[in-house]
Amino acid sequence: GQSLEQPSEVTAVEGAIVQINCTYQTSGFYGLSWYQQHDGGAPTFLSYNALDGLEETGRFSSFLSRSDSYGYLLLQELQMKDSASYFCAVGSARQLTFGSGTQLTVLP
Amino acid sequence: GAGVSQSPSNKVTEKGKDVELRCDPISGHTALYWYRQSLGQGLEFLIYFQGNSAPDKSGLPSDRFSAERTGGSVSTLTIQRTQQEDSAVYLCASSLDPGQGEVDGYTFGSGTRLTVV
Repeated sequence: GQSLEQPSEVTAVEGAIVQINCTYQTSGFYGLSWYQQHDGGAPTFLSYNALDGLEETGRFSSFLSRSDSYGYLLLQELQMKDSASYFCAVGSARQLTFGSGTQLTVLP
Repeated sequence: GAGVSQSPSNKVTEKGKDVELRCDPISGHTALYWYRQSLGQGLEFLIYFQGNSAPDKSGLPSDRFSAERTGGSVSTLTIQRTQQEDSAVYLCASSLDPGQGEVDGYTFGSGTRLTVV
């Protein structure tokens, strides 16, 4: 089976940096994905890490350590529009297992 | 289409009734997925279609749930004899192929919010 753990809530102020951690247990690892979901909206894909290290895409970066079964999403220069739920996910291309999500609140 | 389209966006039904949820994936996407999201929870895998291959139904919670994909495009998720615990947002996603879905992510629709009363 597969399971993921991530914090349920994180709060930060505009302009700050926030890190959302994700630990996972899986019988077969392919990669770690991150999705963003605004209230009432569709989840949107942010990043995918198959190998150890840091992947950077604009203000967002994602990190993976396969030996530690651990990854994180780093959001820099936070903006109000970043307030959303963030989900990590593992699994094969056919089937992803998602964490329960981290609700990020960005305060002015 | 430009994105993944789902209908209806909202559905309220009485316990015991059957419902059909529709998903129209992005044109040319061969892989199609159904997920379910309960309030404040993560996404739960239901079923996966890839081209003409037999679907992966391993996530369907009971035999009241079924899905089909016609012509390799539009998909319908059917829930028979709905129960209150079926209340959730049902999300459909597609990707060009499974490999692309893994690396570049799925494109999700906005979902159907199902309420069973």
